[in-house]
Order: sequence, then C-alpha cells, then structure tokens
Amino acid sequence: AAGVIQSPRHLIKEKRETATLKCYPISRHDTVYWYQQGPGQDPQFLISFYEKMQSDKGSIPDRFSAQQFSDYHSELNMSSLELGDSALYFCASSPPGLSLPGELFFGEGSRLTVL
Amino acid sequence: DAKTTQPTSMDCAEGRAANLPCNHSTISGNEYVYWYRQIHSQGPQYIIHGLKNNETNEMASLIITEDRKSSTLILPHATLRDTAVYYCIPGYGNKLVFGAGTILRVKS
Repeated sequence: AAGVIQSPRHLIKEKRETATLKCYPISRHDTVYWYQQGPGQDPQFLISFYEKMQSDKGSIPDRFSAQQFSDYHSELNMSSLELGDSALYFCASSPPGLSLPGELFFGEGSRLTVL
Repeated sequence: DAKTTQPTSMDCAEGRAANLPCNHSTISGNEYVYWYRQIHSQGPQYIIHGLKNNETNEMASLIITEDRKSSTLILPHATLRDTAVYYCIPGYGNKLVFGAGTILRVKS
C-alpha cells in the first residue's frame, strides 16, 4: 500500500519568496499533520486538519498557512521566506477515529532550503 | 503536554537487547505513551504505544511502571538498522509533541 506522499522532496527558494508543500495522505486517512524539523532539532508540530477543518495548532508562524482539501490532501503555504525556515517538513496522516490513540504515518519529508 | 526525560544517547551491542528508559512523571490519566523513532532524516516511524499494561509487537516491547511515571522500550535483539533517535511521547488523541529523544547507536 502506498504511504504518505510529499512533494516536492527538495525545494530551494530565495528569501522573501513563497513556497508550497503538498501532502497526499494514505487512502481513507482523514487527518493530516504538519511538522517542521530544523537542522539538528527535533520535529516540531505545526498544524493538523481533520475532515478539512483545522483540528490543532502548534508553533506555526503567521507567515504560514495550510489547508486540507476535499480529497484529504493538504498544502502548506509559506510566504516571506526567511533563512530560518530552512528545514525538513514532514507530513503525517492517521486513519479515522480522531479521539482514539493510534499511530501516525509519516511521509519522507520535503527539504526546504532558503538562500 | 507531559514533559519527558530521556538519556541523550545510548550504545548497544548488535544482537543484544536495547533498553531505552523514559521518565514521564507528569503524565495525565488519559494520556498514552507512544514511542517513535527517526532514522537519519527519514520520517519518524511508529514503534508501539500503551496506556497501563505492558505491550509487545513485532518490533518491540513496552514496559510501563504501575504508577505510569516511567516506561522502558525494549528492542529484544538490536541490529545496526536500529540505530536511530528514539522518542518517548505521552499524549492523547493523535497530536504528538516530540521532545528530545535518545540517540541509540547499535555497534557491531
């Protein structure tokens, strides 16, 4: 079975530019999560969506926005990019049953480099 | 979110059991203990989770103390491919907050 698909895998942008990352969850998974992992750091939770509605919010900068679409894929939009935005961005998905504990399935990440 | 304390790093000989401790003394009654690992720059991978009882699956065993303030992840026969950062994460629902994990180095 296909896992979580993230695109692009690598992205290079200049400061003050805009970037969009896409995440395609596992089939029938209805919840999507975004994490940011800077160099040498641990993954930091940014935001999550359940059934196309924002379900939780972490340390996501105001310059970032995200949404989940009717086919459950999600996009993370980042504007006015800063050097500090250079990081690995992971998307994860989970199956139906928001309030039940379970495992998150992570994609392989999108590496954003801001020059 | 409950705070966790894990050793910064641990070494383990290949083929031996790796025992990774985690202190989560502020865990609340409805929070589960999740364990994930991250092999260099790959997406984190789920290992196991539990609430009160000990759990075992094909990857590992999880031992949770009776007071639930700490737990131990056991990899019964560590291999070189188990070298990774291991995260202990108390949580409820599906939001995971990663803290500083343990770098496990498996050596031949």
